[in-house]
Order: sequence, then structure tokens, then C-alpha cells
Amino acid sequence: GAVVSQHPSRVICKSGTSVKIECRSLDFQATTMFWYRQFPKQSLMLMATSNEGSKATYEQGVEKDKFLINHASLTLSTLTVTSAHPEDSSFYICSARVPNAGGRDTQYFGPGTRLTVL
Amino acid sequence: DAKTTQPPSMDCAEGRAANLPCNHSTISGNEYVYWYRQIHSQGPQYIIHGLKNNETNEMASLIITEDRKSSTLILPHATLRDTAVYYCIVSGSRLTFGEGTQLTVNP
Repeated sequence: GAVVSQHPSRVICKSGTSVKIECRSLDFQATTMFWYRQFPKQSLMLMATSNEGSKATYEQGVEKDKFLINHASLTLSTLTVTSAHPEDSSFYICSARVPNAGGRDTQYFGPGTRLTVL
Repeated sequence: DAKTTQPPSMDCAEGRAANLPCNHSTISGNEYVYWYRQIHSQGPQYIIHGLKNNETNEMASLIITEDRKSSTLILPHATLRDTAVYYCIVSGSRLTFGEGTQLTVNP
């Protein structure tokens, strides 16, 4: 299957700082990527849809000014958590959509980034 | 996107087939059934998807009922490394994750 990478795999930062997470599609081009968040013992929650060359679409309740998404190329989307606070500590996971000829597109996920805000 | 219902947990003996059920009675005609799994602290892994025909790949088989209101994911010979949370998702365009089924494969 298609490979999606994330960097960093884990990050610890101080409250009030900003953190950037990168999501890359390694062997394909992705016009659409997605960002999810997962709190302990919970399921994944979709935060936003990232479209190459246009503004991201945020899910209800997700602050677009706090979670900045940039999808500047067909292989890279970034999520910046601005002015992070302890409640932003979570597992952030991206995915990329791979078009399938003759069938529904498939999403492949990155390995996730563990963010801990002190 | 249609809602899915899965049992919260299942156990399976190593080497035996694991059959994971999923109900999606409100599925609409253009929605696919996707299965992903998530091993602890990792990103979800794509397993298989289908529309109405049964599907098989190197990882699993997907059996979809004729009315498409339910499906079963089959892992033919479960191993300890198949222990994970399995998510059944019905999607028209984007993936919405429910609680999934925690499958534990026992030695």
C-alpha cells in the first residue's frame, strides 16, 4: 500500500509554544490529506481536510486559528498547533487519499505524532 | 455517512479464523464499507474495502450481505500480531471512526 510518513513521531513542548507536524506522502501525490486527533482510550476524531492549493476545511468545533494547516505541495501537509496548552496533548494522525481506478478512493495513514504539552 | 455498530471486544485463538461483524443498516447505495485496524500507539492500517461484492486480499476477506446492511471481516489464520482495534467504516467520501472492536488473539 501507499506510504505516509509523519515527523516528528513525538514532541514535548512548553505551554504557549507552537508545534509543527509534517505529513508526507512518500510514493504518491495526494491532493487531499486529512488530520485526526486521538485522545487516550478514544477513537480518532477528524479535525480537518487539507486540500492542496486551497484552504483547509475544518470540522465543527475545531479552531482554525489554533490548528493551522498548510498543504503547499502534492506530497506535504503541515499542521501547526499554535500556542499549545496541556489540553492539546494528544496523538495527531494524518492520512492521505489515494485515488483508485474504478473504485472508491482509499486513505492511508501516517504513524502518528505524540504531542505532550507541559 | 452511515453509522456502524461493532461489538466492543472479541477474543480469538491463535491460528483460528477471526470473524469480526459489523452492522450498517443505514448504508446508502454509493457508500463503501472500509475496514482498518489500529495497533496500540500506531496509525490505522488499511485492510480492505468493498461496495457489494465479497472481496479478498492478502490480509483478509470481506463478506458483505446481499442487502448490504451488514458485513464480516475474516482473518483466516489469526496471529498474535493481529491483536488490534478493528474499525468498520461506511463512507461516501471521508472516514468517520467509531469505537471499533478490540480483537485479542490469544496463544
